[in-house]
Formats: sequence, structure tokens, C-alpha cells
Amino acid sequence: DTAVSQTPKYLVTQMGNDKSIKCEQNLGHDTMYWYKQDSKKFLKIMFSYNNKELIINETVPNRFSPKSPDKAHLNLHINSLELGDSAVYFCASSRQAYNEKLFFGSGTQLSVL
Amino acid sequence: LAKTTQPISMDSYEGQEVNITCSHNNIATNDYITWYQQFPSQGPRFIIQGYKTKVTNEVASLFIPADRKSSTLSLPRVSLSDTAVYYCLVEGASGSARQLTFGSGTQLTVLP
Repeated sequence: DTAVSQTPKYLVTQMGNDKSIKCEQNLGHDTMYWYKQDSKKFLKIMFSYNNKELIINETVPNRFSPKSPDKAHLNLHINSLELGDSAVYFCASSRQAYNEKLFFGSGTQLSVL
Repeated sequence: LAKTTQPISMDSYEGQEVNITCSHNNIATNDYITWYQQFPSQGPRFIIQGYKTKVTNEVASLFIPADRKSSTLSLPRVSLSDTAVYYCLVEGASGSARQLTFGSGTQLTVLP
């Protein structure tokens, strides 16, 4: 069983569209994250939820909205997609919020045309 | 803000020991140092974490000098399958967003 799974793996869409990426973890972790990895391989934290509460909200356009219906799920909705949103988006989880190792999903390759 | 600096790339040969150093001059008292490995088309995977001195597990060792301004990941006897990007992450108890942002990593290429 995959510990952190995200869908879809690939997402190709047109500028201006709205899309969602889903993430689920079966590790029983309290904390979940969304990361963005650009073409230069920098991994930047976007959001983090701890027990369904938003604890990290990095400088990200308002078009990005995370939603955590329960501890095991953290979805990412993106409105009005732009070319610059093209990247790989990783979901991750950890047992607790601090100094805990991160478990990553396999990523969603988003291509905005 | 503990920004990290790593070499962009390193080459090695199979069977050699590889040492990758990460500089983190502004590390705070409560910060831990964690290393991750990432293969193409996969998410990063935890390798090792430490606070000071030396930590060893089944895949790597982590050396941290007394001033903690740098750390060295040591991979013994690398194989071709160790070719990957290695990230150093310094994170603190404050849970600062920036301290959870990875640097650009070190591309390790293991040659036959």
C-alpha cells in the first residue's frame, strides 16, 4: 500500500482553467504539506495542515487553496491556472509538525499550456 | 533563517565513499539537520537526521561539527543506484515555512 498517494500523476490543462490535486496518507500522521518543485529542482513549501488546521501558509497566490476534509486528506485547488504554475507538486506528511521526517508522494506533473 | 548551501553536482565511481557537505551558517539552537534523496519522477525520501556529532544508520552517516554550521552526509561504497539528488534540510521547532523549504540539492552521479 502506498503511504502517501496523490492523483492525478499528470495534469495537462489550458490557461485559465481550474484544477484540483488530491492527496491521501494512510500513515496515521497528523501533519500534511504541499510542496512545489520548479524546473531548477527547488522544493518550496506552500502549505501545511496539522490536524486539519492550517499552520503554514507561505506566500502563494490566492488562486491556490488547500482543503483538508480530515487528517488523512489534503487537497489542492488551483483557480485560473497560469503558465508559471507549471511544475511538479508534491504532497507530504509527517507524524507531527516539527522535526519529523517527511514522507512524500510521487508528485503531480502539472503542465499549463 | 537557516539557509543551506550545497554543491550543485558531484561525480563518483562505484564502490567509493561519497561525502556531501551542506553549509548552514545561520542554524538556530533548536534546528535539526535532515537529508533526503530524490530519484527522477519520485518524491524525496528521508535518509538521515541529526542534531550534533555523528549519526549512523543502515544507509548513511551524518557528521555535524561542534559549531553545527555545516554537516556532511557520508554514503559508504556507492553503487549506480545511488545516483540521485541529495537535499539538506534544516528545520526548527518554530515550524517556519522557510525552514521547510529545500535548497537546490546536490546531483550525485555514480559512474561504473
